Amino acid sequence: GESVGLHLPTLSVQEGDNSIINCAYSNSASDYFIWYKQESGKGPQFIIDIRSNMDKRQGQRVTVLLNKTVKHLSLQIAATQPGDSAVYFCAGSPLIQGAQKLVFGQGTRLTINP
Amino acid sequence: DVKVTQSSRYLVKRTGEKVFLECVQDMDHENMFWYRQDPGLGLRLIYFSYDVKMKEKGDIPEGYSVSREKKERFSLILESASTNQTSMYLCASSPYGADRVDEQYFGPGTRLTVT
Repeated sequence: GESVGLHLPTLSVQEGDNSIINCAYSNSASDYFIWYKQESGKGPQFIIDIRSNMDKRQGQRVTVLLNKTVKHLSLQIAATQPGDSAVYFCAGSPLIQGAQKLVFGQGTRLTINP
Repeated sequence: DVKVTQSSRYLVKRTGEKVFLECVQDMDHENMFWYRQDPGLGLRLIYFSYDVKMKEKGDIPEGYSVSREKKERFSLILESASTNQTSMYLCASSPYGADRVDEQYFGPGTRLTVT
């Protein structure tokens, strides 16, 4: 099966600095990875995703890096803002015929210091 | 914008009651999912469905059942609620069928308390 884990349960950064949130996965056959942001009292919101044929993907102020050799992915948030305070989840999906499942990590709570 | 709605934000039920949690999506998505979210455990998949009247067990199906009679609606049923089912329940949907993995769109969640 697949397991996905985040390295740190909490991360605290200064406003304006870059944030890096890390995640590891176990199944080398995993084909798809995704990052979600969850604010208090809300459901998870999509941030960015990446497939295994890519090493890097960029969005608006966010970058996801995938290192298949060590089975690690990271989310980088540039110029962190107070609105970035949330819990961040990574999720991965093994390539299983006939099933479409995401396996979620436990989340990292990002706190922004003024 | 994709919208996934859940019938209640907060629900309080008694042990032994039958509980229905409803989820509706408005984007004609093929797949729908039910998760529960508990502190320190992340999101765990209960059941999912990739077609009307089809259902697949997730990682923690015990004590739950589901129903998908229409494409846009996916119901989670707790046949006899127990206190260990107190949790946040999240519904999600994604556009494609069983053969492709894509972003899942989540509803706001239902916080269920069983007393």
